[in-house]
Amino acid sequence: AQKVTQAQTEISVVEKEDVTLDCVYETRDTTYYLFWYKQPPSGELVFLIRRNSFDEQNEISGRYSWNFQKSTSSFNFTITASQVVDSAVYFCALSEGDYGQNFVFGPGTRLSVLP
Amino acid sequence: DSGVTQTPKHLITATGQRVTLRCSPRSGDLSVYWYQQSLDQGLQFLIHYYNGEERAKGNILERFSAQQFPDLHSELNLSSLELGDSALYFCASSDGGSPYNEQFFGPGTRLTVL
Repeated sequence: AQKVTQAQTEISVVEKEDVTLDCVYETRDTTYYLFWYKQPPSGELVFLIRRNSFDEQNEISGRYSWNFQKSTSSFNFTITASQVVDSAVYFCALSEGDYGQNFVFGPGTRLSVLP
Repeated sequence: DSGVTQTPKHLITATGQRVTLRCSPRSGDLSVYWYQQSLDQGLQFLIHYYNGEERAKGNILERFSAQQFPDLHSELNLSSLELGDSALYFCASSDGGSPYNEQFFGPGTRLTVL
């Protein structure tokens, strides 16, 4: 069965520090999708990024970047120059199958950015 | 504002009861996904509908059912409620039928079972 591990339960950093959130996944499928979501204190879920298993290119979007490495089954998320507004719980997720029949979330990492 | 609406925002009910949660997707989106977030189980995918048809099922209990109507809104029915069903229920919508399509989440319905 597929699985997503986010070993860091909670991280605290001071504003302007860089921080990396780890995500390790397990799957037997060759076709799968990986996602990151943000859940700020207000509670809503915000989609951040998706990746399919055939696209190992890293991605940068502003202060956010993602490092996908199939060799280590990892899809890590880095926030550069963190800000207080980045404080949230971040979830990594894995979806298998053409229609996402198996969609699994990691337990989440709570990031606190202190001023 | 994601454009996805969920009603009600809060629901308090008793064990053994039945409730219906409603989700209206963004205009033009054909897919609706339902998720449950609880302290015990974390975030779980429940079910995915695309243009009125069930497309994928996750960890949805037999006491739960969902449907998507011709106007594309969706309802999640929870019956014989137990204390453990207390959770935040999210729906999300996307324009395509694949989980690869970007999903937009509603604000959630918080269900409390007493």
